[in-house]
Amino acid sequence: DTGVSQNPRHKITKRGQNVTFRCDPISEHNRLYWYRQTLGQGPEFLTYFQNEAQLEKSRLLSDRFSAERPKGSFSTLEIQRTEQGDSAMYLCASSLWGLNAFFGQGTRLTVV
Amino acid sequence: SQQGEEDPQALSIQEGENATMNCSYKTSINNLQWYRQNSGRGLVHLILIRSNEREKHSGRLRVTLDTSKKSSSLLITASRAADTASYFCATDKETSGSRLTFGEGTQLTVNP
Repeated sequence: DTGVSQNPRHKITKRGQNVTFRCDPISEHNRLYWYRQTLGQGPEFLTYFQNEAQLEKSRLLSDRFSAERPKGSFSTLEIQRTEQGDSAMYLCASSLWGLNAFFGQGTRLTVV
Repeated sequence: SQQGEEDPQALSIQEGENATMNCSYKTSINNLQWYRQNSGRGLVHLILIRSNEREKHSGRLRVTLDTSKKSSSLLITASRAADTASYFCATDKETSGSRLTFGEGTQLTVNP
């Protein structure tokens, strides 16, 4: 499978715990994006990387959120001290120079 | 904030009929893309149309773009039950680099 891969697919965590999600993009893609989607809404942009550089962050990305792409390949998104409002689908996408962004299946986070 | 707005919010048709969904946006764009999302799954890229293009076809899909009206339409011909999904338009604004901004989507139901 050469598409965008996200792990885990589902995560249930208790409020206050930290969680980390991983995204493996399509190998030749230099740009990687994170989005968040709540029920009935379209995806909302969180952040994106070009190679290992984080070039843009949304104001939605509070200080409890951090994303890395250390070697310009896979990326991780960490949420610290989770809150119930963090419950959502977290989507990762990759593209080559911003064209035709391809999405993974997402990680569904439930904070209880 | 969402840049794109899809219309209608929900559409229910019979198998074999054509489905038309519209998208409006607010600022100048580089590209507009349409995505499909089955319930609880990731987004599937359908088609990209550049700002200097007016119409594009891919199989049973036809996309138009009117930059003077800041609107796009997605036509699915000869619909099938398997086309049942949410459809989103996403714009890549001229000034935002490669960030995609999504609308809230149209929920299409194709009844067998």
